[in-house]
Amino acid sequence: DTGVSQDPRHKITKRGQNVTFRCDPISEHNRLYWYRQTLGQGPEFLTYFQNEAQLEKSRLLSDRFSAERPKGSFSTLEIQRTEQGDSAMYLCASSDRATELRGYTFGSGTRLTVV
Amino acid sequence: AQKITQTQPGMFVQEKEAVTLDCTYDTSDQSYGLFWYKQPSSGEMIFLIYQGSYDEQNATEGRYSLNFQKARKSANLVISASQLGDSAMYFCAMREGLGRGSTLGRLYFGRGTQLTVWP
Repeated sequence: DTGVSQDPRHKITKRGQNVTFRCDPISEHNRLYWYRQTLGQGPEFLTYFQNEAQLEKSRLLSDRFSAERPKGSFSTLEIQRTEQGDSAMYLCASSDRATELRGYTFGSGTRLTVV
Repeated sequence: AQKITQTQPGMFVQEKEAVTLDCTYDTSDQSYGLFWYKQPSSGEMIFLIYQGSYDEQNATEGRYSLNFQKARKSANLVISASQLGDSAMYFCAMREGLGRGSTLGRLYFGRGTQLTVWP
């Protein structure tokens, strides 16, 4: 297993455009998380899936943000009508109940720059 | 109120010396977990160590140990014998609601401490 994969690693987009990021978790992990990290801050929780069910959403996840995990495997995070304040690192993590006390496994993130 | 507070924006330590990174937390849950992660400049978050609220012993993982003081709500990370490769951002995080059947999953992170190890 190659760990948690995120694609793309970097994305530059113009304000107002839509962007979509993909996360492939560790295959046996049924829990998947999205976090956002702005410069100089710790990661902030966005949303959490257990299998295909979205169980928890942060208030940070405005109506411009949507996340899906249609088959309980990979997940996508879409941002519509991007704003400069959306510029951040978007981190995905996965876990399962047996292993999460060993720490959630994070991907390397997608760095979004909105110009 | 902040769930996790890391009061040291930056710390400096000489190679081979020990260093303590501070973390205090705020929760009303009885069952919770505390994590430390390392984030090098490349961006990935690397799990270092975990402490459960009911664990009686302080957690240790190689050169990392967690000084858990429950009454003070502190969970400081101690790195012994620092190495140049330890230079990175370090984050303390907490997960609440670890009771049986809990489906909660979010981690609350602090703002991090930038550790610089010098030769």
